[in-house]
Amino acid sequence: NAGVTQTPKFRVLKTGQSMTLLCAQDMNHEYMYWYRQDPGMGLRLIHYSVGEGTTAKGEVPDGYNVSRLKKQNFLLGLESAAPSQTSVYFCASSYSWDRSSYEQYFGPGTRLTVT
Amino acid sequence: AQSVTQPDIHITVSEGASLELRCNYSYGATPYLFWYVQSPGQGLQLLLKYFSGDTLVQGIKGFEAEFKRSQSSFNLRKPSVHWSDAAEYFCAVGAADSWGKLQFGAGTQVVVTP
Repeated sequence: NAGVTQTPKFRVLKTGQSMTLLCAQDMNHEYMYWYRQDPGMGLRLIHYSVGEGTTAKGEVPDGYNVSRLKKQNFLLGLESAAPSQTSVYFCASSYSWDRSSYEQYFGPGTRLTVT
Repeated sequence: AQSVTQPDIHITVSEGASLELRCNYSYGATPYLFWYVQSPGQGLQLLLKYFSGDTLVQGIKGFEAEFKRSQSSFNLRKPSVHWSDAAEYFCAVGAADSWGKLQFGAGTQVVVTP
């Protein structure tokens, strides 16, 4: 049982390049989330999904797109990377019933640098 | 809109001493409250949670937190810290019927000295 995994762990991009971050969970969780973590700002929600085929915007969605084609995977895309997107990205997942949905399980993170 | 404030950016504590981390929230109804811990280079791990009922909640690793509605606070405590408690701690708040979404505070970095 690997829990929540993220690929890649590190990445350096040039401004304007694109990339996709992959999040996978093996806990059969319905809900999945993408956050970014910046110093002094905690975690901010980018996008989330409440089930296969569904996605919704979070607090800071601009410049990102997501897809949830399979229940176990949640992809985060950057179409044209900008230096402001330099951050550590975390994926999380949770069950969907009642209060359990708030107990999120986190992946180890992806450190992205945009030059 | 809900918000979470952690007033202390950085706390240094001696090993064996007690620790208290502050968390204040702003929310109209009864919030769901959480403390997460992040060890260096790792993801976040849930320490404890409060939904309703007893205002003193116990968590993992010997931590506890107390919900005080009158002060809009949910402070985290540990009676005696260990060197392994050095980490960043995040308070988070959720609202009912919001698809499990959480609002996180900015975090408190805890340094443990010998």
